[in-house]
Amino acid sequence: QSALTQPASVSGSPGQSITISCTGTSSDVGGYNYVSWYQQHPGKAPKLLIFDVTNRPSGVSDRFSGSKSGNTASLTISGLLAEDEAHYYCCSYTSSSTRIFGGGTKLTVL
Amino acid sequence: EVQLVESGGGLVQPGGSLRLSCAASGFTFSRYWMHWVRQAPGKGLVWVSRSNSDGFSTTYADSVKGRFTISRDNAKNTLYLQMNSLRVEDSAVYYCARQGGTPYIDYWGQGTLVTVSS
Repeated sequence: QSALTQPASVSGSPGQSITISCTGTSSDVGGYNYVSWYQQHPGKAPKLLIFDVTNRPSGVSDRFSGSKSGNTASLTISGLLAEDEAHYYCCSYTSSSTRIFGGGTKLTVL
Repeated sequence: EVQLVESGGGLVQPGGSLRLSCAASGFTFSRYWMHWVRQAPGKGLVWVSRSNSDGFSTTYADSVKGRFTISRDNAKNTLYLQMNSLRVEDSAVYYCARQGGTPYIDYWGQGTLVTVSS
């Protein structure tokens, strides 16, 4: 099964907002409200940012928000900070009871 | 504090075997589903396998099905990944991860590196 489709890179200036898309199929992203998003800094383990499409775990900044329309989920980061520079991955539950990740998006804060 | 500590990685020849372990602490291990996720150097995250809370229900990615086996010992708070018939393309950092209340991963270990090379 191929990875969910994410843009390879996005960029933005401090204070701006950016959105990262994550496109799948009706067998994963479109079929369930079980999309999660992770942030990964170099050499570190991933960190959960969003679960079940729109929910933020306690301790995660409200600058991070998630949404979904059809087979595409999105992560929006508002008020960009230098520390937001990292890789971001989406993940979805699938109809086979497996999980599938996106290919990852490198965010550069200009 | 939730802690997941992987071990067992290393260098192995193609066709060889390796068993990874993940020691869990800071939560009631026996109540949680657990996953293995891998990441090849410079590449993205790839889901590998998951176990339900009692270990009797497991699923695998097609790429490892029939070669890898996930298991757990709830008395020892430990998750395992037995990897057989290893291939060069299995080289990666392997992360142990906990599933939250719905099908998402909420906590990750720091990973253990597996290198398959002759």
